[in-house]
Amino acid sequence: AQSVTQLDSHVSVSEGTPVLLRCNYSSSYSPSLFWYVQHPNKGLQLLLKYTSAATLVKGINGFEAEFKKSETSFHLTKPSAHMSDAAEYFCVVSYSSTTAGSGTYKYIFGTGTRLKVLA
Amino acid sequence: DSGVTQTPKHLITATGQRVTLRCSPRSGDLSVYWYQQSLDQGLQFLIQYYNGEERAKGNILERFSAQQFPDLHSELNLSSLELGDSALYFCASSVAGQGETQYFGPGTRLLVL
Repeated sequence: AQSVTQLDSHVSVSEGTPVLLRCNYSSSYSPSLFWYVQHPNKGLQLLLKYTSAATLVKGINGFEAEFKKSETSFHLTKPSAHMSDAAEYFCVVSYSSTTAGSGTYKYIFGTGTRLKVLA
Repeated sequence: DSGVTQTPKHLITATGQRVTLRCSPRSGDLSVYWYQQSLDQGLQFLIQYYNGEERAKGNILERFSAQQFPDLHSELNLSSLELGDSALYFCASSVAGQGETQYFGPGTRLLVL
Protein backbone atom coordinates (compact mmCIF):
# COMPACT_ATOMS: atom_id res chain seq x y z
CA ALA A 1 0.00 0.00 0.00
CA GLN A 2 1.13 3.51 -0.70
CA SER A 3 1.63 5.89 2.18
CA VAL A 4 3.49 8.98 3.27
CA THR A 5 4.70 9.72 6.78
CA GLN A 6 5.82 13.08 8.08
CA LEU A 7 7.93 12.20 11.04
CA ASP A 8 7.46 15.41 13.03
CA SER A 9 4.16 17.16 13.63
CA HIS A 10 5.94 20.27 14.98
CA VAL A 11 9.42 21.65 14.36
CA SER A 12 10.88 24.77 15.99
CA VAL A 13 14.04 26.48 14.75
CA SER A 14 15.70 29.79 15.40
CA GLU A 15 15.82 32.36 12.64
CA GLY A 16 18.97 31.92 10.56
CA THR A 17 19.44 28.23 11.45
CA PRO A 18 18.86 25.27 9.10
CA VAL A 19 15.47 23.68 8.60
CA LEU A 20 14.88 19.94 8.19
CA LEU A 21 11.37 18.57 7.69
CA ARG A 22 11.30 14.81 7.31
CA CYS A 23 9.14 12.74 4.99
CA ASN A 24 9.17 9.03 4.31
CA TYR A 25 7.05 7.35 1.68
CA SER A 26 6.02 3.87 0.78
CA SER A 27 5.19 3.11 -2.81
CA SER A 28 5.30 0.04 -4.99
CA TYR A 29 5.33 2.23 -8.05
CA SER A 30 7.57 5.03 -9.25
CA PRO A 31 6.07 7.95 -7.40
CA SER A 32 6.04 11.65 -7.94
CA LEU A 33 6.73 13.52 -4.73
CA PHE A 34 5.77 17.05 -3.77
CA TRP A 35 6.16 19.47 -0.90
CA TYR A 36 3.46 22.07 -0.36
CA VAL A 37 3.37 24.93 2.13
CA GLN A 38 0.26 26.39 3.76
CA HIS A 39 0.39 29.73 5.51
CA PRO A 40 -2.39 30.49 8.02
CA ASN A 41 -5.79 30.81 6.40
CA LYS A 42 -4.31 30.34 2.94
CA GLY A 43 -4.41 27.66 0.29
CA LEU A 44 -1.58 25.23 -0.33
CA GLN A 45 1.31 26.44 -2.46
CA LEU A 46 3.71 24.18 -4.31
CA LEU A 47 7.28 24.39 -2.99
CA LEU A 48 8.89 21.77 -5.19
CA LYS A 49 8.33 18.42 -6.88
CA TYR A 50 10.30 15.33 -7.81
CA THR A 51 9.40 13.43 -10.98
CA SER A 52 12.30 11.01 -11.55
CA ALA A 53 14.73 13.52 -12.99
CA ALA A 54 17.46 14.90 -10.69
CA THR A 55 17.31 13.50 -7.17
CA LEU A 56 18.11 16.88 -5.63
CA VAL A 57 15.21 19.19 -6.30
CA LYS A 58 15.35 22.92 -5.82
CA GLY A 59 12.18 24.81 -5.02
CA ILE A 60 11.03 28.29 -4.22
CA ASN A 61 12.17 30.45 -1.32
CA GLY A 62 15.48 28.60 -0.93
CA PHE A 63 13.98 25.20 -0.12
CA GLU A 64 15.27 21.98 -1.57
CA ALA A 65 14.61 18.27 -1.14
CA GLU A 66 16.56 15.14 -1.90
CA PHE A 67 14.94 11.97 -3.16
CA LYS A 68 16.64 8.93 -1.63
CA LYS A 69 15.18 5.74 -3.00
CA SER A 70 17.24 3.48 -0.73
CA GLU A 71 15.86 5.26 2.32
CA THR A 72 12.41 5.96 0.81
CA SER A 73 12.79 9.53 1.99
CA PHE A 74 12.14 12.97 0.58
CA HIS A 75 13.24 15.37 3.31
CA LEU A 76 12.81 19.12 2.89
CA THR A 77 15.67 21.43 3.87
CA LYS A 78 16.59 25.07 3.90
CA PRO A 79 20.01 26.41 4.96
CA SER A 80 18.71 29.41 6.87
CA ALA A 81 15.21 29.86 8.27
CA HIS A 82 13.35 33.12 7.90
CA MET A 83 10.43 34.30 9.98
CA SER A 84 8.22 34.14 6.90
CA ASP A 85 8.84 30.38 6.66
CA ALA A 86 6.58 29.76 9.64
CA ALA A 87 3.76 27.68 8.18
CA GLU A 88 2.50 24.13 7.78
CA TYR A 89 4.27 21.90 5.30
CA PHE A 90 2.78 18.88 3.56
CA CYS A 91 4.61 16.05 1.85
CA VAL A 92 2.58 14.44 -0.95
CA VAL A 93 3.09 11.28 -3.00
CA SER A 94 1.35 10.74 -6.31
CA TYR A 95 1.23 7.46 -8.18
CA SER A 96 -0.69 5.74 -10.93
CA SER A 97 -3.37 3.47 -9.55
CA THR A 98 -3.88 0.64 -12.03
CA THR A 99 -6.45 -1.00 -9.76
CA ALA A 100 -8.71 2.02 -10.02
CA GLY A 101 -8.67 2.05 -13.80
CA SER A 102 -6.25 3.25 -16.39
CA GLY A 103 -5.14 6.82 -16.15
CA THR A 104 -6.17 7.17 -12.51
CA TYR A 105 -3.64 8.79 -10.25
CA LYS A 106 -3.87 8.99 -6.51
CA TYR A 107 -2.44 11.69 -4.29
CA ILE A 108 -1.67 10.92 -0.68
CA PHE A 109 -1.03 13.81 1.69
CA GLY A 110 1.04 13.56 4.83
CA THR A 111 -0.41 14.82 8.08
CA GLY A 112 1.66 17.99 7.93
CA THR A 113 4.53 19.52 9.90
CA ARG A 114 4.03 22.87 11.55
CA LEU A 115 7.22 24.92 11.40
CA LYS A 116 7.77 27.57 14.02
CA VAL A 117 10.59 30.08 13.57
CA LEU A 118 11.88 31.77 16.70
CA ALA A 119 13.35 35.26 16.62
CA ASP B 1 -2.07 33.61 -6.91
CA SER B 2 -2.54 30.05 -8.21
CA GLY B 3 -5.17 30.94 -10.81
CA VAL B 4 -7.77 28.77 -9.06
CA THR B 5 -10.73 30.72 -7.71
CA GLN B 6 -13.24 29.66 -5.11
CA THR B 7 -16.45 31.30 -3.96
CA PRO B 8 -17.62 32.17 -1.45
CA LYS B 9 -14.65 32.78 0.85
CA HIS B 10 -16.76 32.35 3.96
CA LEU B 11 -20.08 30.69 4.57
CA ILE B 12 -22.08 30.53 7.78
CA THR B 13 -25.17 28.37 7.88
CA ALA B 14 -27.29 26.25 10.20
CA THR B 15 -27.50 22.52 10.74
CA GLY B 16 -29.74 20.74 8.27
CA GLN B 17 -29.16 23.28 5.54
CA ARG B 18 -27.65 22.81 2.08
CA VAL B 19 -24.84 24.87 0.55
CA THR B 20 -22.99 24.97 -2.75
CA LEU B 21 -19.31 25.77 -3.09
CA ARG B 22 -17.94 26.84 -6.44
CA CYS B 23 -14.53 26.41 -8.00
CA SER B 24 -13.03 27.69 -11.25
CA PRO B 25 -9.85 25.87 -12.28
CA ARG B 26 -6.78 27.42 -13.85
CA SER B 27 -7.15 28.17 -17.52
CA GLY B 28 -6.39 24.99 -19.47
CA ASP B 29 -6.68 22.60 -16.52
CA LEU B 30 -9.10 19.74 -17.08
CA SER B 31 -8.96 18.09 -13.68
CA VAL B 32 -10.53 19.42 -10.48
CA TYR B 33 -10.11 18.04 -6.96
CA TRP B 34 -12.01 18.79 -3.76
CA TYR B 35 -10.50 18.54 -0.28
CA GLN B 36 -11.79 19.08 3.24
CA GLN B 37 -9.44 20.38 5.92
CA SER B 38 -10.44 20.27 9.56
CA LEU B 39 -8.49 20.37 12.80
CA ASP B 40 -9.27 16.80 13.79
CA GLN B 41 -9.14 15.10 10.37
CA GLY B 42 -6.41 17.06 8.64
CA LEU B 43 -6.52 17.34 4.85
CA GLN B 44 -8.91 14.80 3.33
CA PHE B 45 -9.36 14.14 -0.37
CA LEU B 46 -13.03 14.12 -1.30
CA ILE B 47 -13.41 13.71 -5.05
CA GLN B 48 -11.78 14.33 -8.43
CA TYR B 49 -13.29 15.21 -11.79
CA TYR B 50 -11.64 15.14 -15.17
CA ASN B 51 -13.22 16.90 -18.13
CA GLY B 52 -16.69 16.59 -16.69
CA GLU B 53 -16.50 13.02 -15.46
CA GLU B 54 -15.85 11.66 -11.99
CA ARG B 55 -12.35 10.20 -11.92
CA ALA B 56 -11.66 9.27 -8.30
CA LYS B 57 -13.49 9.24 -5.01
CA GLY B 58 -12.04 9.66 -1.55
CA ASN B 59 -13.65 10.11 1.83
CA ILE B 60 -16.73 11.85 0.57
CA LEU B 61 -19.95 11.47 2.54
CA GLU B 62 -23.18 10.47 0.82
CA ARG B 63 -24.63 13.84 1.86
CA PHE B 64 -22.00 15.51 -0.32
CA SER B 65 -21.96 15.55 -4.10
CA ALA B 66 -20.04 17.32 -6.80
CA GLN B 67 -20.08 17.92 -10.50
CA GLN B 68 -17.95 19.50 -13.17
CA PHE B 69 -19.66 21.50 -15.86
CA PRO B 70 -18.83 21.82 -19.59
CA ASP B 71 -16.97 25.07 -18.92
CA LEU B 72 -14.88 23.03 -16.42
CA HIS B 73 -15.93 24.86 -13.29
CA SER B 74 -16.99 22.61 -10.47
CA GLU B 75 -19.47 22.74 -7.63
CA LEU B 76 -19.46 20.88 -4.35
CA ASN B 77 -22.88 20.45 -2.79
CA LEU B 78 -23.13 19.78 0.92
CA SER B 79 -26.56 18.87 2.28
CA SER B 80 -28.13 18.03 5.64
CA LEU B 81 -25.26 19.89 7.20
CA GLU B 82 -23.95 18.89 10.61
CA LEU B 83 -21.74 20.74 13.07
CA GLY B 84 -18.89 18.44 12.13
CA ASP B 85 -18.97 19.62 8.54
CA SER B 86 -17.46 22.93 9.63
CA ALA B 87 -14.11 23.03 7.85
CA LEU B 88 -12.04 24.65 5.17
CA TYR B 89 -12.90 23.27 1.73
CA PHE B 90 -10.25 23.51 -0.94
CA CYS B 91 -10.46 23.05 -4.64
CA ALA B 92 -7.37 22.24 -6.69
CA SER B 93 -6.82 21.82 -10.40
CA SER B 94 -4.25 20.16 -12.60
CA VAL B 95 -3.69 19.86 -16.31
CA ALA B 96 -4.75 16.28 -16.87
CA GLY B 97 -4.98 14.45 -13.56
CA GLN B 98 -1.94 12.37 -14.44
CA GLY B 99 -0.07 12.79 -11.17
CA GLU B 100 1.22 16.23 -12.04
CA THR B 101 1.19 19.32 -9.82
CA GLN B 102 -2.09 20.39 -8.30
CA TYR B 103 -2.75 24.11 -7.88
CA PHE B 104 -4.89 25.04 -4.92
CA GLY B 105 -7.50 27.72 -4.52
CA PRO B 106 -7.73 29.91 -1.40
CA GLY B 107 -10.50 27.79 0.10
CA THR B 108 -14.01 28.30 1.40
CA ARG B 109 -14.40 28.39 5.15
CA LEU B 110 -17.68 26.81 6.17
CA LEU B 111 -19.12 27.29 9.63
CA VAL B 112 -22.20 25.27 10.57
CA LEU B 113 -24.00 26.57 13.67
